[in-house]
Amino acid sequence: GAVVSQHPSWVICKSGTSVKIECRSLDFQATTMFWYRQFPKQSLMLMATSNEGSKATYEQGVEKDKFLINHASLTLSTLTVTSAHPEDSSFYICSARDNRGVHSGANVLTFGAGSRLTVL
Amino acid sequence: GQNIDQPTEMTATEGAIVQINCTYQTSGFNGLFWYQQHAGEAPTFLSYNVLDGLEEKGRFSSFLSRSKGYSYLLLKELQMKDSASYLCAVSPYSSASKIIFGSGTRLSIRP
Repeated sequence: GAVVSQHPSWVICKSGTSVKIECRSLDFQATTMFWYRQFPKQSLMLMATSNEGSKATYEQGVEKDKFLINHASLTLSTLTVTSAHPEDSSFYICSARDNRGVHSGANVLTFGAGSRLTVL
Repeated sequence: GQNIDQPTEMTATEGAIVQINCTYQTSGFNGLFWYQQHAGEAPTFLSYNVLDGLEEKGRFSSFLSRSKGYSYLLLKELQMKDSASYLCAVSPYSSASKIIFGSGTRLSIRP
């Protein structure tokens, strides 16, 4: 089945630094990937849609200059949290759709394992 | 706006049956999904409904009524490993794979 790899799994950084999270589709191409954020005991909140070769589309309330998204190839999207602050501490999860899946016609997403960010 | 509601927490007994409800009000509809998420892990796909009716897959079944904006996930023969959060999600858009998640239901299974 489709596999989405996310790296790093967890990261601790100092306030004011930037952190980059990578999301890779390992055995399929993904022209579109999605970035979610999840706070403890809460559900996933869609942050942005990452589009290969073009600008990301951000959800309302998400600062595009703070959460930089780059989708330079069909298998890689990156999320950079710039000038991180403690309130940015969260679980960040990416997802992508494998069009080859048995649920063709269904927009079934495969999720990465997530990246837990802790900003001190 | 988009609104997806489901109970925050539920408790059930091992071997029993539990039904997790989800209601939604979205600007459009292109399918409803159920995902399972264990603590600290990524969500895993359980089911997809786009037409009214019941979809059965082993111990799990999912039902959809588009006219009522309603779905449920039915889990049978509960096992301890079924303790997890269950996320109802809707694709309200006509294109691509963008889906919106509900707040999730934390299901606890007791022996």
